[in-house]
Amino acid sequence: GENVEQHPSTLSVQEGDSAVIKCTYSDSASNYFPWYKQELGKRPQLIIDIRSNVGEKKDQRIAVTLNKTAKHFSLHITETQPEDSAVYFCAPGGTSYGKLTFGQGTILTVHP
Amino acid sequence: EAEVAQSPRYKITEKSQAVAFWCDPISGHATLYWYRQILGQGPELLVQFQDESVVDDSQLPKDRFSAERLKGVDSTLKIQPAELGDSAMYLCASSSRGFRTEAFFGQGTRLTVV
Repeated sequence: GENVEQHPSTLSVQEGDSAVIKCTYSDSASNYFPWYKQELGKRPQLIIDIRSNVGEKKDQRIAVTLNKTAKHFSLHITETQPEDSAVYFCAPGGTSYGKLTFGQGTILTVHP
Repeated sequence: EAEVAQSPRYKITEKSQAVAFWCDPISGHATLYWYRQILGQGPELLVQFQDESVVDDSQLPKDRFSAERLKGVDSTLKIQPAELGDSAMYLCASSSRGFRTEAFFGQGTRLTVV
């Protein structure tokens, strides 16, 4: 099965700084790379995703970059705001009926 | 806006008792997932349905857990007997066809086994 690792496990930044979270996966057949955000006590929600035929995707302050050769993809958040504080999960997948395997999560804290 | 519905939101049960969770996916979504999330960890897939068929249950503890989606719409996850280690959040999610598409999560059922 897919092995997924996220780094770092915790990340603390000042408001306005950038944050980068990296996700490494093992299944070279994976072709879908989403990032989910989970606020305390709430459900995970998709914030951005990328498919294997694209190297980078941007949506306002967030972006995802993919390196299929090295089997990792990263979440980039610029101009961080306190409301970005949450747990972020990568969930590579797309094979096997679209199975998503979640990483262990990165706790992002943005200090005002 | 369409949402995945789950019930109950909270459940407290004694160990060795049976417990069941219900999920109603977004209308038209063929793929339904049940995940278990232990506090501080990422969601772990228990079972995945494509329409009414199970396509992945490799991580489902089949000696005590069962899941069904009889008409390919709503689904039930059952635990019998419950153990203390089953205390967790049980999340249901659905997607339109599974392949490379967004999974929408329900609010989850918080299970506490005492």
